[in-house]
Amino acid sequence: AQSVAQPEDQVNVAEGNPLTVKCTYSVSGNPYLFWYVQYPNRGLQFLLKYITGDNLVKGSYGFEAEFNKSQTSFHLKKPSALVSDSALYFCAVSPRYGNNRLAFGKGNQVVVIP
Amino acid sequence: SAVISQKPSRDICQRGTSLTIQCQVDSQVTMMFWYRQQPGQSLTLIATANQGSEATYESGFVIDKFPISRPNLTFSTLTVSNMSPEDSSIYLCSVTWTSRGETQYFGPGTRLLVL
Repeated sequence: AQSVAQPEDQVNVAEGNPLTVKCTYSVSGNPYLFWYVQYPNRGLQFLLKYITGDNLVKGSYGFEAEFNKSQTSFHLKKPSALVSDSALYFCAVSPRYGNNRLAFGKGNQVVVIP
Repeated sequence: SAVISQKPSRDICQRGTSLTIQCQVDSQVTMMFWYRQQPGQSLTLIATANQGSEATYESGFVIDKFPISRPNLTFSTLTVSNMSPEDSSIYLCSVTWTSRGETQYFGPGTRLLVL
């Protein structure tokens, strides 16, 4: 079975400061890893993914994430947070071989303080 | 870029009734999925909508409660049957395209309130 843990409920950060949202996973084999963002009353928007290759992946809106196989982590980062980054962030995992079934973490509310 | 739409965007329903949610994509997709997001919760996969055959349901979800159709490569419906207040959730469809690999792209969601 696959599972995703996002240990923090809410992440508060001052505008302009670095933002980190943590994610660890448990899945057999080498998974596909994803980050999505959900703004209020909106659907999920794809941010970035790790499939293979370079452990540091870059995505939309200046976000990046680092895959760490030994720690089974895929933390989301942004060097300088904007107020508009305030949203709900979900980490998700799917097995490399299968039918793309995604398992989501519980989500982290990010609040960027002006 | 491709557009994924859902109808209705929101609805308020009485317990015991059924609601059918539509998911329409403006280009042919490889796979279609239905998720539920209960209030304040994460997303849970309900089923994979298979084109021309019965959907594949996840543990805890059954066809009698959540019948799904996928008559072609661009359209799917999810019905929430015999609703109760516990069915109040956001229901989202997602799709994949062969050209974009394994990434799932989500529709805007249908916000359902059952009274």
